[in-house]
Amino acid sequence: DGGITQSPKYLFRKEGQNVTLSCEQNLNHDAMYWYRQDPGQGLRLIYYSQIVNDFQKGDIAEGYSVSREKKESFPLTVTSAQKNPTAFYLCASSIDAVNTEAFFGQGTRLTVV
Amino acid sequence: DAKTTQPPSMDCAEGRAANLPCNHSTISGNEYVYWYRQIHSQGPQYIIHGLKNNETNEMASLIITEDRKSSTLILPHATLRDTAVYYCIVRVAYTGTASKLTFGTGTRLQVTL
Repeated sequence: DGGITQSPKYLFRKEGQNVTLSCEQNLNHDAMYWYRQDPGQGLRLIYYSQIVNDFQKGDIAEGYSVSREKKESFPLTVTSAQKNPTAFYLCASSIDAVNTEAFFGQGTRLTVV
Repeated sequence: DAKTTQPPSMDCAEGRAANLPCNHSTISGNEYVYWYRQIHSQGPQYIIHGLKNNETNEMASLIITEDRKSSTLILPHATLRDTAVYYCIVRVAYTGTASKLTFGTGTRLQVTL
């Protein structure tokens, strides 16, 4: 089945360690996005990519990094520079970066202890 | 992308219509109105979108005012499974621009028996 897959669903890390969250889509979509959601809050955009080998900072990019070497993959690295990394992370993709619907993964809940 | 304003919460009796308002008074002529919903701890789900005309699909109807400064999402017969946070978003419609797809805090709809 076509879709967008995030793994793992739950992730635990020690403070000070970098961690990479996986996001893969087989929908042949050009655009991909990463969001962060904190309890009781809306989604905040971290990074987005309009096309392969291109990505741009969203509203809260500090402490995060991404790569877009393949169309189907958009991994997010949460670095030790991110002050409050514990959150629910959501990845999405859309056919393009304009007026099309976005499809979301089921999210990764990251807990840093 | 234009900013949107939604009430933080609403209640609706099961079987009744749920009317969720959204204000987007600074919307530009080239921006679409999108609606998504997020059921607890899941990724958001696309519902519907429109530019100027009213739209209807199997999930909902979207009513956009003539001046496009506000819209209403209508769930015609709400069920308990429609309990979720509903997000209203506006997004550019022309190519050549990497559109951020920015979410606000949404409206928490509680459907009750």
